[in-house]
Amino acid sequence: KNEVEQSPQNLTAQEGEFITINCSYSVGISALHWLQQHPGGGIVSLFMLSSGKKKHGRLIATINIQEKHSSLHITASHPRDSAVYICAVKYPPPGTYKYIFGTGTRLKVLA
Amino acid sequence: GAGVSQSPRYKVTKRGQDVALRCDPISGHVSLYWYRQALGQGPEFLTYFNYEAQQDKSGLPNDRFSAERPEGSISTLTIQRTEQRDSAMYRCASSRTGVGWNTEAFFGQGTRLTVV
Repeated sequence: KNEVEQSPQNLTAQEGEFITINCSYSVGISALHWLQQHPGGGIVSLFMLSSGKKKHGRLIATINIQEKHSSLHITASHPRDSAVYICAVKYPPPGTYKYIFGTGTRLKVLA
Repeated sequence: GAGVSQSPRYKVTKRGQDVALRCDPISGHVSLYWYRQALGQGPEFLTYFNYEAQQDKSGLPNDRFSAERPEGSISTLTIQRTEQRDSAMYRCASSRTGVGWNTEAFFGQGTRLTVV
């Protein structure tokens, strides 16, 4: 069992749909990072959070520390949102430098 | 530099050859990480440097893999006697510091290594 699990693994949506990607982890963490991997391979940071909720444009990330669960929401999805979304966690000290990654959710938004 | 720079972007090598992958982190970033990403998988930790000190190499798969960061800036990941199973995307990341829950890492574009 992976320490960080994402669901769904693949997701196809129509433009304008509300999208939710889930991330569950099995141990206590100090922070969780949502990343976007473009088709060309580059990785871009979206959010880093340890509690509550963060919003940036059409993206919203939430985390529930007690339930060891985070969600990434995309409102009014657009074809340019098509990418792989990766959840990564950081452990408490002394391992806080190391990310443990989920396998990613491949999102395709159709026009 | 403006971002983490890796070179080469693509490397095709014959089995048994040695390869060296380079990472140039964001200027001033103390911490540097190497990850390996197989197709369809999330990245996996290889090794971590704080300045020039290699503080964790627990993710290096075997002794054919080594990494150095002699002056605390540019890092080189070397794979000796490459094997086909070494084929993957090798990613470098850097951060201002390593320790701390909210220290964000910035990733390079990666080097896609193919061993034929």
